[in-house]
Amino acid sequence: GAGVSQSPSNKVTEKGKDVELRCDPISGHTALYWYRQSLGQGLEFLIYFQGNSAPDKSGLPSDRFSAERTGGSVSTLTIQRTQQEDSAVYLCASSSDREKLFFGSGTQLSVL
Amino acid sequence: SQQGEEDPQALSIQEGENATMNCSYKTSINNLQWYRQNSGRGLVHLILIRSNEREKHSGRLRVTLDTSKKSSSLLITASRAADTASYFCATASGTYKYIFGTGTRLKVLA
Repeated sequence: GAGVSQSPSNKVTEKGKDVELRCDPISGHTALYWYRQSLGQGLEFLIYFQGNSAPDKSGLPSDRFSAERTGGSVSTLTIQRTQQEDSAVYLCASSSDREKLFFGSGTQLSVL
Repeated sequence: SQQGEEDPQALSIQEGENATMNCSYKTSINNLQWYRQNSGRGLVHLILIRSNEREKHSGRLRVTLDTSKKSSSLLITASRAADTASYFCATASGTYKYIFGTGTRLKVLA
């Protein structure tokens, strides 16, 4: 079956604009994660959805960041009023058992 | 703060040699996993070891876990050029919020 799909693969935006990043998890996977990875760095946890439970938003760096997951499937990460320090690769992962995570190829965000 | 820290940050070896990388973490865990990342994009799951296990093997991979020292090691035996990648450990406790370490960049020279 299809893997985790993220779109767009690359996004260039101007400072101050809003962006939306999309993640299509593997069908049936109840857990969905968003991470951010700056160049040459490790993964920074952003947010975690599990089924119908309230998401764990503890990793969101500021109130400019928000995420939702509609119908327990597709998720959108929104960054408002983008800043240059938001430039990074945004990675989405899903899991059926909250153990093995399956990652998408990420969205490279560049804020000019 | 990050849960896991890998050591070394970078490792360069000759093809055929073994590669060992280590991960330390801070709190009690449900399990510890190792992932590989090529070209700075998506990560691929390699192996999972549970908190009540001490050693696990998968092909050329061997993982150990020492919960008393809060550390794990990943050994890749008989390395190949294709093993060149970044390797990350990931840990979760309680809520299954996985925190990744800083990674080890492995370069295998042909």
